[in-house]
Amino acid sequence: GQQVMQIPQYQHVQEGEDFTTYCNSSTTLSNIQWYKQRPGGHPVFLIQLVKSGEVKKQKRLTFQFGEAKKNSSLHITATQTTDVGTDFCAGRSGGSNYKLTFGKGTLLTVNP
Amino acid sequence: SAVISQKPSRDICQRGTSLTIQCQVDSQVTMMFWYRQQPGQSLTLIATANQGSEATYESGFVIDKFPISRPNLTFSTLTVSNMSPEDSSIYLCSASLAGVETQYFGPGTRLLVL
Repeated sequence: GQQVMQIPQYQHVQEGEDFTTYCNSSTTLSNIQWYKQRPGGHPVFLIQLVKSGEVKKQKRLTFQFGEAKKNSSLHITATQTTDVGTDFCAGRSGGSNYKLTFGKGTLLTVNP
Repeated sequence: SAVISQKPSRDICQRGTSLTIQCQVDSQVTMMFWYRQQPGQSLTLIATANQGSEATYESGFVIDKFPISRPNLTFSTLTVSNMSPEDSSIYLCSASLAGVETQYFGPGTRLLVL
C-alpha cells in the first residue's frame, strides 16, 4: 500500500531559526495536504498542493510539491514559539475515496 | 468549513467492556472517517464511514472489533469492542465537505483501558 515517509521526526530550534520538514511518498500523489497539530489539540488543515512543482506561501510558511508529485516540504522562516506542534503531511493517491495517508509527522519545539 | 464535535472527550474503561464514541458534524458532509492516534504518533485510518451501508475498513481493522454506524450525513459512531489496554489511544473523527478534499477533525476522544 501507499506509504508516506516524513523526516525529521523531531526538530528543536532556537526562536528565529528556520525549519524544514520533508515528506516522501512511495507512489505518485494526486495531491498532498499539510496539517498542524498543536500540543493537546487535533490536526488542523493548513494547505493543499495539487500541481507538479507547485509552491504556496502562507506568511512565514512555504510549501512545495515536487515535480514528480512524490515529495513535498514545509519550510518555516524565523520560527516563533507559536509554531510549536507537530506538522503532518498527508498524501492522496488517485481515486474517488478521498482517503489520506498521513506521514509520521515532525514535532517542532522552539526555544525562546 | 465544518465544525465537528465528539463525545465523550475522554473515558477510562475496564478491559472487556465496549465504548461507543459519537461524532456530530454541523454541516452535511460527504465523507466521514475514523482515525486512531497513539500519543506522539501519527494518525492511522481505521475506516471510512459510509452513509446507510457498511463501513470500509483498513487493513488490520475489522468490523467485529470496531463497528461503525453512519445513519445520516452528519452523524457517525465508532464502537471499540471488548477493549484491552492496547486499545488505549486517541480516536479522531474527521469529515470532508462535498467537492472539498480537505478533512476537518474533531477534538478526539482520549481512551484509557485498564
